[in-house]
Amino acid sequence: KAGVTQTPRYLIKTRGQQVTLSCSPISGHRSVSWYQQTPGQGLQFLFEYFSETQRNKGNFPGRFSGRQFSNSRSEMNVSTLELGDSALYLCASSGEGTSYNEQFFGPGTRLTVL
Amino acid sequence: AQKVTQAQTEISVVEKEDVTLDCVYETRDTTYYLFWYKQPPSGELVFLIRRNSFDEQNEISGRYSWNFQKSTSSFNFTITASQVVDSAVYFCALSEAYEETSGSRLTFGEGTQLTVNP
Repeated sequence: KAGVTQTPRYLIKTRGQQVTLSCSPISGHRSVSWYQQTPGQGLQFLFEYFSETQRNKGNFPGRFSGRQFSNSRSEMNVSTLELGDSALYLCASSGEGTSYNEQFFGPGTRLTVL
Repeated sequence: AQKVTQAQTEISVVEKEDVTLDCVYETRDTTYYLFWYKQPPSGELVFLIRRNSFDEQNEISGRYSWNFQKSTSSFNFTITASQVVDSAVYFCALSEAYEETSGSRLTFGEGTQLTVNP
């Protein structure tokens, strides 16, 4: 079974631009979560999508948004990029019910904002 | 609010030494899950173990073992006979019980950078 895939793996943007990151979950997984990892703040939860609906949201500004498609693939968007948005963005997918909490992570997208 | 603390920022050992990574957590939930993940330099988080709050039985998997103690809110991870390939950042994480309407989220500790020297 293929793992979680994320594209692109690396991205360089400038302040003020917007960016869209993509995540394809493990086949059969309907939940996709996004996390931001920075040296200063560590790993922080952004949001979680299930069946095309945002089910849970972390404490991030509205510039961070996401969506999920009917095939469970998910995208996250960051608008008006700031230097502090430079981070590794990790996507995780999981199954349902008691197996839900086993979240499997992708390789991440490393975003650099100049 | 949930919180996970990994007080050891960095640990350096020599190959074949045993090493224990500490994890202390805070939660008001009675049902919760604890995890350990490994993050090698490539960046991907690799799932190692999940325990639920009702199962305090220690677990051993090869050179890895985990000690869960609710009385001290700790979930420590021991690597026996460490190897250079064990070098990575290790994260302890906590999540509340799954709810169909609200899902769940992982709260991570700060991570412990383990370096195993030959």
